[in-house]
Amino acid sequence: RKEVEQDPGPFNVPEGATVAFNCTYSNSASQSFFWYRQDCRKEPKLLMSVYSSGNEDGRFTAQLNRASQYISLLIRDSKLSDSATYLCVVNTGRRALTFGSGTRLQVQP
Amino acid sequence: ETGVTQSPTHLIKTRGQQVTLRCSSQSGHNTVSWYQQALGQGPQFIFQYYREEENGRGNFPPRFSGLQFPNYSSELNVNALELDDSALYLCASSLVASGRRAYNEQFFGPGTRLTVL
Repeated sequence: RKEVEQDPGPFNVPEGATVAFNCTYSNSASQSFFWYRQDCRKEPKLLMSVYSSGNEDGRFTAQLNRASQYISLLIRDSKLSDSATYLCVVNTGRRALTFGSGTRLQVQP
Repeated sequence: ETGVTQSPTHLIKTRGQQVTLRCSSQSGHNTVSWYQQALGQGPQFIFQYYREEENGRGNFPPRFSGLQFPNYSSELNVNALELDDSALYLCASSLVASGRRAYNEQFFGPGTRLTVL
């Protein structure tokens, strides 16, 4: 079983749609949680950290459920520029990041 | 831009050869982590260097080795290349304070795309 599991997609949605990505992690000792965005053939870039209380950054909302070991990302009012792969990432305190395989989002005009 | 640079950007090698990839960390950062990203997968942790010593390693064989220099730049060396080593190799730099175990944000470079024929 992978340490971090994501639905690979692709998610094809029209502009303006709301889309949700889910992720589960297996290591209950995980301490920090993130969503990264990766554009085609580019490096991953931090989109947002994820906190137990939930957090929002503009159109993006992230949630963490430690009991279920589940992380989510909600994107509202999708833009063409949101098209990318979204990587769910956890850190267990070993200073290494553990990445999921990513979920591909394609926003259609 | 993160200020993390990697060279070369692309590289083609044949099976059995050796390769050296280079990474310059962001100014003020003292730690470099290396990741391998195969096509369609997320990055996988190879190892991390802190104060010129290996500070954690993922599930990669010993033919993957590294160095960190006094200026905190780093090299990743891969010996006896195999076809499955074809991937995007990413380095990420961060600032780790001595004795702290908390996570510190890692900033990724643009990567080196290695193709093994």
